[in-house]
Amino acid sequence: LAKTTQPISMDSYEGQEVNITCSHNNIATNDYITWYQQFPSQGPRFIIQGYKTKVTNEVASLFIPADRKSSTLSLPRVSLSDTAVYYCLSPAQGSGAGSYQLTFGKGTKLSVIP
Amino acid sequence: KAGVTQTPRYLIKTRGQQVTLSCSPISGHRSVSWYQQTPGQGLQFLFEYFSETQRNKGNFPGRFSGRQFSNSRSEMNVSTLELGDSALYLCASSPWSGSGGLLSPLHFGNGTRLTVT
Repeated sequence: LAKTTQPISMDSYEGQEVNITCSHNNIATNDYITWYQQFPSQGPRFIIQGYKTKVTNEVASLFIPADRKSSTLSLPRVSLSDTAVYYCLSPAQGSGAGSYQLTFGKGTKLSVIP
Repeated sequence: KAGVTQTPRYLIKTRGQQVTLSCSPISGHRSVSWYQQTPGQGLQFLFEYFSETQRNKGNFPGRFSGRQFSNSRSEMNVSTLELGDSALYLCASSPWSGSGGLLSPLHFGNGTRLTVT
C-alpha cells in the first residue's frame, strides 16, 4: 500500500508558478501517480496522471524523478480560481481480486493571494 | 456528455433513520465508486461497483451498503443513521476500473450533503 505525504497548505501570489511536492516512498513498480483538484462543495476533478519523467497537459505539468519516490505538480501562473485542495494519489490494492482503489489523504490546500 | 448526477443535493435526517442516495454515472461508464468526505477524516473510500458487482469495499460498517443497476446507475444506503454519518457523499464514475497500477480517471459528481440530527 503506497502512502503519500504532501504539505497541508501553501500560499501563492497570483501569476506565480506553484509547485506542490508529494512523497511516495514505497510506491509499487507499476503504480501511476494521479493528482486531483477539489473546489469547496464540489467533487474532485482529475488533473493529471503520470508514471515517470514529465507529463504536461493544458492545465498542469507533473514531474516524477527516476527513483519515483516523489512527484511534483506544477501549476503555471496561478490565478485566484486555482484556490483549491490538491490531492496526490497512488492506487492501492482493493479488497476484491484484481481490484484497485484510490486513497485520498487530506490534500494540500492552495490559497492564491491577489 | 452529461456529467455525474447525484440526488438529492441536500438531505436532513434524524438519528436512527435510514437514507438512500442516488448516482447516475456518465453514459458508458461501468464503474461507480462512493466516497464519504468529512472535515476530520477527509475523503474516504466506501465501495466500488463494476457491472453490477461490488468489486471493492472500504473500511465502513455494514450499515453502509450499495448496489448498481444494469444501466450502471447506483444507489447507496445507510441504515440506522448516526450523528457521525453527517458528511458529503460523493459518487464517481469511470469507463473501467483499473489495470495493474494504472487507474482510470474518476469523474465525480457534486455530492449529496447529508446532515443527521
